[in-house]
Amino acid sequence: NAGVMQNPRHLVRRRGQEARLRCSPMKGHSHVYWYRQLPEEGLKFMVYLQKENIIDESGMPKERFSAEFPKEGPSILRIQQVVRGDSAAYFCASANGTGGHTDTQYFGPGTRLTVL
Amino acid sequence: AQSVTQLDSHVSVSEGTPVLLRCNYSSSYSPSLFWYVQHPNKGLQLLLKYTSAATLVKGINGFEAEFKKSETSFHLTKPSAHMSDAAEYFCVVSDGYGGATNKLIFGTGTLLAVQP
Repeated sequence: NAGVMQNPRHLVRRRGQEARLRCSPMKGHSHVYWYRQLPEEGLKFMVYLQKENIIDESGMPKERFSAEFPKEGPSILRIQQVVRGDSAAYFCASANGTGGHTDTQYFGPGTRLTVL
Repeated sequence: AQSVTQLDSHVSVSEGTPVLLRCNYSSSYSPSLFWYVQHPNKGLQLLLKYTSAATLVKGINGFEAEFKKSETSFHLTKPSAHMSDAAEYFCVVSDGYGGATNKLIFGTGTLLAVQP
């Protein structure tokens, strides 16, 4: 059973470009979470999705950031018009959603975004 | 609101000596608590989790943690450190009780160094 997969592992963008980060959850998992880790900090929640639905986007910046989890294919975190402050590691986690608040989230290896 | 506080940002131990990484939590109900480990430039791996069953939780690689409600603590311990334990450790609480979002709230992390 493959774990959570993220690609690309490293992404370099110039200011103003778009960044697309992909996450394939573990097989059988229908819940996806995105977290951001800024340098020297812990992870911060961004958004929680189930198939075709955004459940909680309270951690997403109000502008330029969007996320989706289509019926088919990976979850996508999209950052438009990137700025240097977007440079961070972005982690995706998946869960099967059966455990309520005890559910375990399994993390992918992360995408390290560098904005030049 | 749920939160965790990791009391030490850096801990240094000698190989073969005990490890203690401290964590205090704040929660208005019985929390789900986790410890994750992050090796340099890698993703996060779950070490162990507490979900209101046994208060002493055993995890992988010889780690364990004890949930103490009276002290609101969930400290991580290991009897004998190994060089491969050098990494960053995150204490985490789930914000999902009774709600739709089981987002994780991370502490600021403790960087463990193991000296030969």
